[in-house]
Amino acid sequence: GEDVEQSLFLSVREGDSSVINCTYTDSSSTYLYWYKQEPGAGLQLLTYIFSNMDMKQDQRLTVLLNKKDKHLSLRIADTQTGDSAIYFCAESIGAAGNKLTFGGGTRVLVKP
Amino acid sequence: GAVVSQHPSRVICKSGTSVKIECRSLDFQATTMFWYRQFPKKSLMLMATSNEGSKATYEQGVEKDKFLINHASLTLSTLTVTSAHPEDSSFYICSAQPDGYGYTFGSGTRLTVV
Repeated sequence: GEDVEQSLFLSVREGDSSVINCTYTDSSSTYLYWYKQEPGAGLQLLTYIFSNMDMKQDQRLTVLLNKKDKHLSLRIADTQTGDSAIYFCAESIGAAGNKLTFGGGTRVLVKP
Repeated sequence: GAVVSQHPSRVICKSGTSVKIECRSLDFQATTMFWYRQFPKKSLMLMATSNEGSKATYEQGVEKDKFLINHASLTLSTLTVTSAHPEDSSFYICSAQPDGYGYTFGSGTRLTVV
């Protein structure tokens, strides 16, 4: 079955790195995603990783995927106050057009 | 980049009335769109998958007659909340897949039923 879990809250000081963790149970995940949601807004795709990759880097964002442990992480370097938001990891399984299963979201608070 | 436009962003309606929410793909065609519901401080729950030219696929526990979905063109899907009640108050978000990888989300609709 599908189950995606995240920790609820992360507090980080401005300028430090943030690491948000996510675990999933379905080993047939095809793509894994990180989305950012600011208050009252929709979801913004930050990055995604294909399941046969271990790492993906995009500017301040680094995604690590440990398929053996079914563990996904998002590292934000030099965290800024504008990074304060809720971050969701999500997985999709199978071909394009399949639904996303979301984790519960991690609320990140960046303190100046 | 690909944009999904959702309208309205906020709506307040009286109990018993119906509300229509539109989801448009602005610069790409979407044969499939997804409708999610988000409760306060909670994750997104997939309600249904909207298919252009055919019936929507509803997730278990979602009432088809309550949440009517129409996907009449390759760029527009609508969700109608019929006979709305206060428990239907929520944040509704649509999404579509402009390529084979990422999902683009609309900005959401906050529905308040009074």
